Order: sequence, then structure tokens, then C-alpha cells
Amino acid sequence: DTGVSQNPRHKITKRGQNVTFRCDPISEHNRLYWYRQTLGQGPEFLTYFQNEAQLEKSRLLSDRFSAERPKGSFSTLEIQRTEQGDSAMYLCASLRGPDTEAFFGQGTRLTVV
Amino acid sequence: QKEVEQNSGPLSVPEGAIASLNCTYSDRGSQSFFWYRQYSGKSPELIMSIYSNGDKEDGRFTAQLNKASQYVSLLIRDSQPSDSATYLCAPSETTNKLIFGTGTLLAVQP
Repeated sequence: DTGVSQNPRHKITKRGQNVTFRCDPISEHNRLYWYRQTLGQGPEFLTYFQNEAQLEKSRLLSDRFSAERPKGSFSTLEIQRTEQGDSAMYLCASLRGPDTEAFFGQGTRLTVV
Repeated sequence: QKEVEQNSGPLSVPEGAIASLNCTYSDRGSQSFFWYRQYSGKSPELIMSIYSNGDKEDGRFTAQLNKASQYVSLLIRDSQPSDSATYLCAPSETTNKLIFGTGTLLAVQP
């Protein structure tokens, strides 16, 4: 257990539905990342936060994806109008600061049917 | 050009041999480099970090960094079947954003 919690662990949804995932980082960590990972690929960067500020969002990310980190604590990732191509593992990572070890949650596996 | 390039493998080595994993990156401003290990069905975990040119050793693992060539490698000595996993190279970009390569799948044959 890394101390990073992600919920839910699994989500099956119908195409076109909206889904929201939650990540609770290690409490003193001020940097939080979201990644997407498909089979045989490395984690693909989606977005990251320094406290409550969203510092960067991947150019590959469509407008259907949005993330928040209110009050610099937990974070949510929402996908609107899901598509089958959104099926993947969504990973959250928590860091004390830049250039420090990333602690990953167990991920949320999304299946869009 | 991809930001981080790794040979996807699989890299197959016999037990007890040295496994050599390579990574090249595009951001010349990257100052920090990390190697993560990911077992099948699990999340990545850090095994090595390196910040300066040269070698850094930790047990059976040695990380090598050459910033001029934009190249970082990981050597695993006395490979064990328990080392079988995907190894992810992760440079921290100039903006301190952490990105990952596609990973190299290592298979250590008993």
C-alpha cells in the first residue's frame, strides 16, 4: 500500500455516459499526476497539479476530459460522453514535490461498452 | 520524435546474467531521471533515480546517465526470475513534468 487511494477500482460504463474517478494522495504531497495506461504501453501523461493549480494538460487530451483538485487535496478526473477508446487503466501518482519519487495508486480500470 | 524512447522488448535473459535496459529522451533540459518497475497488473514503483552524469549503483542495479547523448540506462546484475517485469524510464522535463517511456518488458528465464 503506497498511501495513494483511487476509487473506484473498476468501472464499466456504456458509451456516451459520463464517469468520474477520485484520487486521494498522500497528505503532505503537493504534486499530483493523472496518467492513462493501455496494455503494452507506458503511462501516458494526462495532467498534473501543484497544490490546487493545474499546471499542464496533455495536448492529446480532448475537451471531454477535465480534472480538478479543490483545496489541493483529493483530485477528480471526469470523462464526459465516454467512447470505447477511453477504455484503459487510469493511474494517479502523488509526489512530495518536483523531481521526487512518484507513489502510484492502484488505478481505476475503465471499460466502455 | 517521441519524448522518451525505449525498446519495448521482450528482452529475454537467463537467470544470473546481466540485463541491460536503454532509454533515450528528447528534452535536453531534463535534469532528473527515474527508473520504475511495473509488474503485470500492478502500478509502477521506483527502483532508481539519477541526477548526475555517470553511474549510480544500488545493490544489483546500476543506472548510467549521459546527458550529452541524452541517454540513460539500467543494468541489472545477477538477474532473477523475480526481476521479470516492465521497466519504465521516466525523465523529468525542464518544466519538472514527469513523463514515461513505453517501457521494456524483461523476462528472466530460470
